Amino acid sequence: GEDVEQSLFLSVREGDSSVINCTYTDSSSTYLYWYKQEPGAGLQLLTYIFSNMDMKQDQRLTVLLNKKDKHLSLRIADTQTGDSAIYFCAESITGRRALTFGSGTRLQVQP
Amino acid sequence: EAGVAQSPRYKIIEKRQSVAFWCNPISGHATLYWYQQILGQGPKLLIQFQNNGVVDDSQLPKDRFSAERLKGVDSTLKIQPAKLEDSAVYLCASSLGNTGELFFGEGSRLTVL
Repeated sequence: GEDVEQSLFLSVREGDSSVINCTYTDSSSTYLYWYKQEPGAGLQLLTYIFSNMDMKQDQRLTVLLNKKDKHLSLRIADTQTGDSAIYFCAESITGRRALTFGSGTRLQVQP
Repeated sequence: EAGVAQSPRYKIIEKRQSVAFWCNPISGHATLYWYQQILGQGPKLLIQFQNNGVVDDSQLPKDRFSAERLKGVDSTLKIQPAKLEDSAVYLCASSLGNTGELFFGEGSRLTVL
């Protein structure tokens, strides 16, 4: 079955790196995603990784995928106060376009 | 490019009343989704449309929720009668390609008293 889990909260200081972790259970996941949600707003896609990749880098964002352990992480370098938000991990399964989301990790960036 | 539009942004009703939410997806996006996001949780899929046909409604509580997508463009989600546990943000999203990138609207926040 599909299940995506994340830790609830992460607090970092401005300028530090943030690492948000996610585990998933379905081995037939084809794509894994990171979405960002700011207060009162919808979800915004940050980045995604295809399941046959180990790593993807996009400016300050680095996504690492360990398919054996079904573990996904998002690293944000030089974290800024504007990065404070809830980050959702999501997976899509072969043949389905709808995403299954985790419960979200609230990132708090302290000045 | 205009994003996904939803209305109303906020709605307060009493239990057993009915409510309807409207969504206009990004032009040309064939797939439309309704998600329910309860406070403190991730979005949960209610229904997925491909053009005006239903692809997945397995998690839609069909005794009280209904949705339609006329002419494969706009969609409405209706709840009748509402229960207290329906208090949530209802997110509409649309997608075009095969990567599964979903574009979300700002959501409609429902409070049931």
